[in-house]
Amino acid sequence: GENVEQHPSTLSVQEGDSAVIKCTYSDSASNYFPWYKQELGKRPQLIIDIRSNVGEKKDQRIAVTLNKTAKHFSLHITETQPEDSAVYFCAASSSGNTPLVFGKGTRLSVIA
Amino acid sequence: NAGVTQTPKFRILKIGQSMTLQCTQDMNHNYMYWYRQDPGMGLKLIYYSVGAGITDKGEVPNGYNVSRSTTEDFPLRLELAAPSQTSVYFCASSYTSGGPRDTQYFGPGTRLTVL
Repeated sequence: GENVEQHPSTLSVQEGDSAVIKCTYSDSASNYFPWYKQELGKRPQLIIDIRSNVGEKKDQRIAVTLNKTAKHFSLHITETQPEDSAVYFCAASSSGNTPLVFGKGTRLSVIA
Repeated sequence: NAGVTQTPKFRILKIGQSMTLQCTQDMNHNYMYWYRQDPGMGLKLIYYSVGAGITDKGEVPNGYNVSRSTTEDFPLRLELAAPSQTSVYFCASSYTSGGPRDTQYFGPGTRLTVL
């Protein structure tokens, strides 16, 4: 089955700097790659996703890139702000009835 | 739409007790999921369902049972609670899985402590 590895497990950046979180996956049939943000004590919420027919997707300060050949995808946050501090989870799934497989998460701290 | 709702929000159980965590969604989603999240850790899939009457095991199903008699409800049953089941439990739902409408929407969670 699918296996998703996420790095780093913790990341501290200065406010205004960029943050990059990387994930690799094992199943070449996977074609959907979402990113979830979980603030302290809250539920995970989707912030951006990408599908295998697209190499990059942007939404304001966040972007996701996908390299299907290397089987890795990354989340990029620019101009980080204190409210970006949270745990971020990547995930992957293939078509059909297969549930998402989540990475173990990255705790991002943005230092003012 | 209320989205995904879970009850109770908090619960303390004694070892050996049983309880049912309730989950309801009003988005007419086919897929529903139960996850547990231990402190500082990631999400582990317990059980999932692709439709009424169909359930399947996830990564950590031992000690839990589920049923899906309606599209809206997906209760999680804990039998003979153990301290290892202390965790936050999230229910989630999606229209499909791996397709164009497969965003998972999570409920607010149930914080369970077993003493």
